[in-house]
Amino acid sequence: TQLLEQSPQFLSIQEGENLTVYCNSSSVFSSLQWYRQEPGEGPVLLVTVVTGGEVKKLKRLTFQFGDARKDSSLHITAAQTGDTGLYLCAGAKGRGADGLTFGKGTHLIIQP
Amino acid sequence: GAVVSQHPSRVICKSGTSVKIECRSLDFQATTMFWYRQFPKQSLMLMATSNEGSKATYEQGVEKDKFLINHASLTLSTLTVTSAHPEDSSFYICSARERQEQYFGPGTRLTVT
Repeated sequence: TQLLEQSPQFLSIQEGENLTVYCNSSSVFSSLQWYRQEPGEGPVLLVTVVTGGEVKKLKRLTFQFGDARKDSSLHITAAQTGDTGLYLCAGAKGRGADGLTFGKGTHLIIQP
Repeated sequence: GAVVSQHPSRVICKSGTSVKIECRSLDFQATTMFWYRQFPKQSLMLMATSNEGSKATYEQGVEKDKFLINHASLTLSTLTVTSAHPEDSSFYICSARERQEQYFGPGTRLTVT
């Protein structure tokens, strides 16, 4: 079983601060996806990273895929209260034909 | 972006009855859909892979006779929870694959009394 370890599980910071969420595994993934999930709703795709060392930016969010494709990070700059939510990383083994393995998620709270 | 819908969003049923949940890809065709389950305060766990026109593939520990999956068209997959019990109460979420990405539905909250 391929496991994804996410850290931290809970994070509460003040608005305007920066933060990084980590997603680590001992296994190699063909791609890794980051989702955001609101209570009672399905996950919403933020980004997919495929190439080792790849960096993608989505406004104040920066996603990085490790060179060995075993880990990833999500960095948020100048966090806003609207960033509050559950962030999930998920890895794919194959080229999309397999289901995703999810990390346990990071509960992020941005305080005003 | 790709949109996936689920119906119903919430359902309450009595123990021993069966419940059907629908998952539709609204603006794209999906030969592969996936069914996940999420218990409170936990992450998503893959239950099964639904392939259009063929039998579903179930993850280890998931009873195929209890969770019946039908993927009769390129835009619709259904999950039927048969003889539901209170321990089946959970948040069921489907996803549909477009290229190498998966797009998730809004989920179905099942409560078995």
